[in-house]
Amino acid sequence: NAGVTQTPKFQVLKTGQSMTLQCAQDMNHNSMYWYRQDPGMGLRLIYYSASEGTTDKGEVPNGYNVSRLNKREFSLRLESAAPSQTSVYFCASSEGGPTANQPQHFGDGTRLSIL
Amino acid sequence: GNSVTQMEGPVTLSEEAFLTINCTYTATGYPSLFWYVQYPGEGLQLLLKATKADDKGSNKGFEATYRKETTSFHLEKGSVQVSDSAVYFCALFSGNTGKLIFGQGTTLQVKP
Repeated sequence: NAGVTQTPKFQVLKTGQSMTLQCAQDMNHNSMYWYRQDPGMGLRLIYYSASEGTTDKGEVPNGYNVSRLNKREFSLRLESAAPSQTSVYFCASSEGGPTANQPQHFGDGTRLSIL
Repeated sequence: GNSVTQMEGPVTLSEEAFLTINCTYTATGYPSLFWYVQYPGEGLQLLLKATKADDKGSNKGFEATYRKETTSFHLEKGSVQVSDSAVYFCALFSGNTGKLIFGQGTTLQVKP
């Protein structure tokens, strides 16, 4: 079972470069999420999508954009990368909407370094 | 607002020792509570959950009881193994906000 697949697994960027992190899930889940994980801070929600065609801001959306391309795919874009965006990024999905209180399934993460 | 606080790590134990990782929360309403585990190089996996007061979640020998009176959800295991070495995250889900809020994570190292 693939579950939630994230690409790439590792990336190094220079300040000001742009890139898109890809996420796809094969569980037919309605909701998808992007988090960042920083030492000592747990996971913080960047954006989420309750259904195809909708997106909403989370706790730390500044500097990011997202696209829910279809039910399977939810991408995260950094338009002009900054060193403060060095982090590990996790995509997750869940059955039903965000208020449905169902477990989230996570990908293996993308380790992003901004020089 | 809603928040989750976990004990600082790392926690280092010998194999077969008893484990407790403390977790307390602040929330309005009646949140659901979760423990997630993250093995090295992997994403988070749901370990156990409890959806109402006095519920006990359990999985793979781990247990946690939802204590509303002390706003706590401490994780316990009677006898840890080297393979339990990982980062453990306590989290709460509030239907009011529709968000999953994570604690900062506690690293567990189990030595043979």
